[in-house]
Amino acid sequence: QVQLQESGPGLVKPSETLSLTCTVSGDSVTSYYWSWIRQPPGRGLEWIGYMYYSGSTNYNPSLRGRVTVSVVTSKNQFSLRLSSATAADTAVYYCVRGHTPGIGDNWGQGTLVTVSS
Amino acid sequence: EIVLTQSPGTLSLSPGERVTLSCRASQSVSSTYLGWYQQKPGQAPRLLIHGASSRATGIPERFSGSGSGTDFTLTISRLEPEDSAVYYCQQYGSSLSFGGGTKVEIK
Repeated sequence: QVQLQESGPGLVKPSETLSLTCTVSGDSVTSYYWSWIRQPPGRGLEWIGYMYYSGSTNYNPSLRGRVTVSVVTSKNQFSLRLSSATAADTAVYYCVRGHTPGIGDNWGQGTLVTVSS
Repeated sequence: EIVLTQSPGTLSLSPGERVTLSCRASQSVSSTYLGWYQQKPGQAPRLLIHGASSRATGIPERFSGSGSGTDFTLTISRLEPEDSAVYYCQQYGSSLSFGGGTKVEIK
């Protein structure tokens, strides 16, 4: 059974880059689609972006230019980088696996990232 | 961007009742790319339905999805206490977007 685990700093300063890693166990990142989705405290879900291991990506237009999703096949991980962070980026961040681009078949437990000085 | 509007915002129902949740899109969505999720407090969302009407692995038969075009529905045939949660629809065809959610409470 696939398991996903997010890791990274829980506190990021404004204007800095938010970086998270998702470690995948029980499956290979060289199959399926891998997404990041976030949820501000007390609010709904927002799709950030997804990628296929071959390198194809698709990002939320509202975040395009600030977001990069990439995969490290040797470590069976994929990552998120969100530059120029602001308080509006404070959220629980989930890494997600899907059989179709953007669908969330399996989710990590989520990690809270707070953007604050 | 396709905007998904869910209604009602909150439902309060008794165990055993039938529940109908609505998801309306601002433009037509391919049924192939419409999903529903359940999220309980402190937990990650769980996929219930994909392709508008296909139950995900392990999802009880009391959950069903239907609809096409701009109007989609999630139905819980007989509400169980453990179904208390927020339910989100998602379209994953043209870019991706989520609805704002419907909270289902158990009386």
